[in-house]
Order: sequence, then C-alpha cells, then structure tokens
Amino acid sequence: SQTIHQWPATLVQPVGSPLSLECTVEGTSNPNLYWYRQAAGRGLQLLFYSVGIGQISSEVPQNLSASRPQDRQFILSSKKLLLSDSGFYLCAWSVWDRATGELFFGEGSRLTVL
Amino acid sequence: GDSVTQMEGPVTLSEEAFLTINCTYTATGYPSLFWYVQYPGEGLQLLLKATKADDKGSNKGFEATYRKETTSFHLEKGSVQVSDSAVYFCALRPNTNAGKSTFGDGTTLTVKP
Repeated sequence: SQTIHQWPATLVQPVGSPLSLECTVEGTSNPNLYWYRQAAGRGLQLLFYSVGIGQISSEVPQNLSASRPQDRQFILSSKKLLLSDSGFYLCAWSVWDRATGELFFGEGSRLTVL
Repeated sequence: GDSVTQMEGPVTLSEEAFLTINCTYTATGYPSLFWYVQYPGEGLQLLLKATKADDKGSNKGFEATYRKETTSFHLEKGSVQVSDSAVYFCALRPNTNAGKSTFGDGTTLTVKP
C-alpha cells in the first residue's frame, strides 16, 4: 500500500534562518506531488506542485522554494524565514494519470517562526 | 479561476443531530468534487468524492451529491457522533493531468454529548 511521510512534525525557527521540510512517498511511481500551507483557521493554499523529477511549478510568489531530486521525494526550502511563513505545511500526492483522483496527505509539519 | 465556497463555521451540534455543511463551487468544465476531513493535529484525509453530475459520494454515514445545476456539493449526515468533531473541507479538482485542487476555507464541527 502507498504511504506518505513528512518531517519534521514540529519546527520552531528564528526569523532569517533556513528551512527544509521533506516529504517521501512509498508504494507508487511517478506521483504528482504538492506542497500546501494552511494558516490558522483558514483553508489550504497551494504553494508548489510537481509532475516529475526536477519539474516544479510555483503557485504563489514568496521566499519559499521546492525541489524534487528523486521521483518520490519532495522538499520545501527557504533561505531566510519570515514571520509570515508560520503555518501548517502539508505534503500531498496523487496518481499521475488519474485526473479525477483524490489527494493523499502527509501528517503535516507545524512551523513557528519567532 | 476555480473557487470553492463553504458554509462558515464553527458549527456546534448535539450528538445524534442532523448535519448539513453547504458547499458551492465555480469552475470551468466538469471537475471532480471532494470532501476531506482533518482531525486535530493531523493532515487531511478523503471522506468522500463524486466525479460526475448526479453522483452521490458516501462514507461513514456522510453523503454528498454532485449537483451541476446548482454547482453544489453539500455534505450531510443523519446522526452525528462526538467522534465526528473535526474540520471539513470541500474541494474540487479539474479533469486535467496536473489536477490542481482548490479548497474551501474549511468548516469546524464540534459535536457535544
């Protein structure tokens, strides 16, 4: 069966520090991968998505970046965090050839920038 | 662009009460529609889905019908339980390969015993 893991689960970082959140998917090949951010009490905002290795599309201009160095690995990074980067970050995957398919989410990473 | 509008919360019900959470959408073409549920401190998980007009998705006593004429996908449950307390998200996904989903803002449901 397919599983998705992301880490770390909780992160407290000072303003201006770097960030790296990692997500891996097991049990499937060539998934579509997504990074979402959920601000407190609000819906989900799509940050990045990827349909293949090295292929990244950005949805929102910001100081975050994403990379997909391997088929089932998706990394969210920042060189210098801002206070506004605080939130709950969710990685998700979907089957690449099923446009009607659902998203499968990781457990989430809660980032607090102080 | 695509958008999803959900009934604003929070919603507080007594156990065994009837639940309705309204969801309407704006999209071109024929998107697939979803309800996801998020329990405290966790990621989202699929509750139910419908991929074409008049389809009814159902799971764990929850139901929602894809109504293209009213562009709606309202979530219903006849008798809620305390364990149903969570945040519920309505979402749509266009029928393209990238399939970028659009989510509503979520509705927080609290069920009291």
